[in-house]
Amino acid sequence: GENVEQHPSTLSVQEGDSAVIKCTYSDSASNYFPWYKQELGKGPQLIIDIRSNVGEKKDQRIAVTLNKTAKHFSLHITETQPEDSAVYFCAASSPDFNDYKLSFGAGTTVTVRA
Amino acid sequence: DVKVTQSSRYLVKRTGEKVFLECVQDMDHENMFWYRQDPGLGLRLIYFSYDVKMKEKGDIPEGYSVSREKKERFSLILESASTNQTSMYLCASSLPQQANTEAFFGQGTRLTVV
Repeated sequence: GENVEQHPSTLSVQEGDSAVIKCTYSDSASNYFPWYKQELGKGPQLIIDIRSNVGEKKDQRIAVTLNKTAKHFSLHITETQPEDSAVYFCAASSPDFNDYKLSFGAGTTVTVRA
Repeated sequence: DVKVTQSSRYLVKRTGEKVFLECVQDMDHENMFWYRQDPGLGLRLIYFSYDVKMKEKGDIPEGYSVSREKKERFSLILESASTNQTSMYLCASSLPQQANTEAFFGQGTRLTVV
């Protein structure tokens, strides 16, 4: 099955600085890579995703890059704000029709210092 | 607003009890999932279902079973609760693989087995 590794496990940044989280995956057939943000006391929520036919995607202060050859993808948050403090999970999806399931990384706890 | 609702936020059960965790979604999604979340391990898939009365084992199904009698409801059952099943349990739903693949999560149930 798919194995997703995520680094770092914790990340502390000064407000206004950038944060980068990196993930690697093992199954070269995976074709969908979402990122989820989990705030305290809530379930994870999708913040951005990328498919294997695209190398980079941006949404305001958030961007994701994908390197299919190296099997890794990264989340970039620019101009961090206190509300960016949360746990972030990367994931990779099997492409099989009836086997759709997400394999998650272990998570990164991001703390933005004011 | 789309919604996945888990029946309990917090639950305390005794070892050996049969435990039911309920999840309901109002988005008419075909896919439903149960994950457990543990520190340093991320989200691990227990079971998923891509149709009524259909179920597939995830990565850690031992000690659990599921039931999906109606499209909107997916139940996780701990046949005989043990202390190592103390965890945060997250339910999610999504459309089929070939459609929008965003997974929507409930707020989680923190289960403590004593």
